[in-house]
Formats: sequence, C-alpha cells, structure tokens
Amino acid sequence: GAVVSQHPSWVICKSGTSVKIECRSLDFQATTMFWYRQFPKQSLMLMATSNEGSKATYEQGVEKDKFLINHASLTLSTLTVTSAHPEDSSFYICSAPLDRSWNQPQHFGDGTRLSIL
Amino acid sequence: SQKIEQNSEALNIQEGKTATLTCNYTNYSPAYLQWYRQDPGRGPVFLLLIRENEKEKRKERLKVTFDTTLKQSLFHITASQPADSATYLCAPPMFSGGYNKLIFGAGTRLAVHP
Repeated sequence: GAVVSQHPSWVICKSGTSVKIECRSLDFQATTMFWYRQFPKQSLMLMATSNEGSKATYEQGVEKDKFLINHASLTLSTLTVTSAHPEDSSFYICSAPLDRSWNQPQHFGDGTRLSIL
Repeated sequence: SQKIEQNSEALNIQEGKTATLTCNYTNYSPAYLQWYRQDPGRGPVFLLLIRENEKEKRKERLKVTFDTTLKQSLFHITASQPADSATYLCAPPMFSGGYNKLIFGAGTRLAVHP
C-alpha cells in the first residue's frame, strides 16, 4: 500500500533555531501533500497545502514566513519552522492522497514531535 | 463555519461488545465522509469512506452509517478487541482552492477492556 515517510520523528532544539521536517511518498508520486499540526488531545489542524512545482497555499491564520514549505519533487515536501519558539512545539504530520480524485483517502506520515526549549 | 463534533469523552467498553462512535457536522453538506484511526504518537490510518448516497458501509468488523438529514455519521466496531483501543477520527472533506481538504473532528478515544 501507499506509504508516506516523515523525518525526523522527534526533535528537540533551542528557541530561535530553524527546524526542517521532511515528508516523502515512498511508492507513489504526490503532486499534493498536506501539512497538519496537532496539539495534545486536539484535532489535526490543516496548516497548508503543498503543491509540486508551485507555491504552497496556507490556511487562514498560518504564517507563511514562519512555516516555509517546499515541494521540489513529486516525492518530497519539506516544512521548515523558522526561528522556532516554545509555542511552536507540537506534533506536525504530513499526508498525501494517491491522486486528486475527489474521494481519495489520505496517507499519513507518522508525524514529527517538535519540542522547542 | 464548518464544524465537526465528536464525543470528546473517552468511550470505555468491554471486550466483545459493540462500540458506537458518533460524528456530527454542521454548516455544510459533504459529499462523503472518511473515518481514520490514530494511535498515540502516530499518524492517522484510513479505515473507511462512505458517500452521501450510501446509507451504510462495512469492512470486516467495522460499519459506518451516514445520515445526511441528521448530518451525522456513526462508526461501529463489533466484537471489539483490546487491539481496537485507539482514537477514531471523523473527517468530512471541504472543497477549497481546488483541493478536497479533510476537516478532522477532535476524535473519540476508545478503550476496550479485557
């Protein structure tokens, strides 16, 4: 089945550091990937839609200069949290559908636990 | 704005019983709805999709219903097992900006006790 790999799974860093998270589709090409953030005991909140070869589209309230998204190939999207602060600590998850058909399920990575000290 | 409501209280049931989880949505009419399972520290895993013209969908011990009049979906696990313990997420889509974006409920945590 379709597999999405996310790396790293866990990162701890100091406030002010920039952190890059990778999301790879291992056995299919993903022209679109989605990035979510999840706080403890809360739902997944969509942050942005990553499009191969074009700019990402961000949900309302998400700072595009804070969360840089690059989708340079059909199998890789990256999310960079720039100048991270403790309030950015969260569980970041990416997903990709097999294609853009209206009813495709999402295939999720296993998430990245980001802790900013 | 669109809103998804799932019972945020944990559901505790005995092994072998049927678990029933509820998902209510307001302010829109999705053409379909998906259910996912999420284990602690992991990404969600797709379980079932049900379309608006389908009243019921089954997969092994899982059953989903979709009532567009009540704006509600029910998710059933029959003959529940401790391995079914997880958080179950309801996710109807919203078509926006050319994409079908999933809107997730907060999820219901299911605990199946031996």
